[in-house]
Amino acid sequence: GAGVSQTPSNKVTEKGKYVELRCDPISGHTALYWYRQSLGQGPEFLIYFQGTGAADDSGLPNDRFFAVRPEGSVSTLKIQRTERGDSAVYLCASSLGAQNEQFFGPGTRLTVL
Amino acid sequence: QKEVEQNSGPLSVPEGAIASLNCTYSDRGSQSFFWYRQYSGKSPELIMSIYSNGDKEDGRFTAQLNKASQYVSLLIRDSQPSDSATYLCAARVNYGQNFVFGPGTRLSVLP
Repeated sequence: GAGVSQTPSNKVTEKGKYVELRCDPISGHTALYWYRQSLGQGPEFLIYFQGTGAADDSGLPNDRFFAVRPEGSVSTLKIQRTERGDSAVYLCASSLGAQNEQFFGPGTRLTVL
Repeated sequence: QKEVEQNSGPLSVPEGAIASLNCTYSDRGSQSFFWYRQYSGKSPELIMSIYSNGDKEDGRFTAQLNKASQYVSLLIRDSQPSDSATYLCAARVNYGQNFVFGPGTRLSVLP
């Protein structure tokens, strides 16, 4: 595909459950970012990968959040013991390199009941 | 605390007018700046990036950067109703580090 893709587009879960959100970046992009966006707010940085490694995970709110990118392409954001406050749109972005502009995927809307 | 501030709006301008969107940032280490447009329910789309003091023009859009004042702006000439969206300003401190986004300014272009 030409752009960043994210699945699922919507996820509804119950408090306490585990969820995985997937991001497939633009082919050849080495940098991958996860953001969280709440209504009326700008995207909030969560984690940045350069290749397979997490170069900056300072935005992860707590240890319930974890992300991987094992082969340097697709990334999965994992949230354990979900809470209602985790409800938001989770955005993934990729860039050709760390110094280049980021291109966003369509997002996953997570709703925790 | 790295912060990017924007007036949340809404900013309303008539069709054909110039829309002026402003952004300030707190971290003097910020080196590059980006304007994104976000339609309701959609993901952000990059409009422009700017790295050096001064103006950068691209079609109807002009980005302005003043590092001494820690100020970034976006001008939209000949505004169209299709420009109605939320405009997000973002700053990046170090290469490869995260972007800090402002809360966005909602622009409404009235036909």
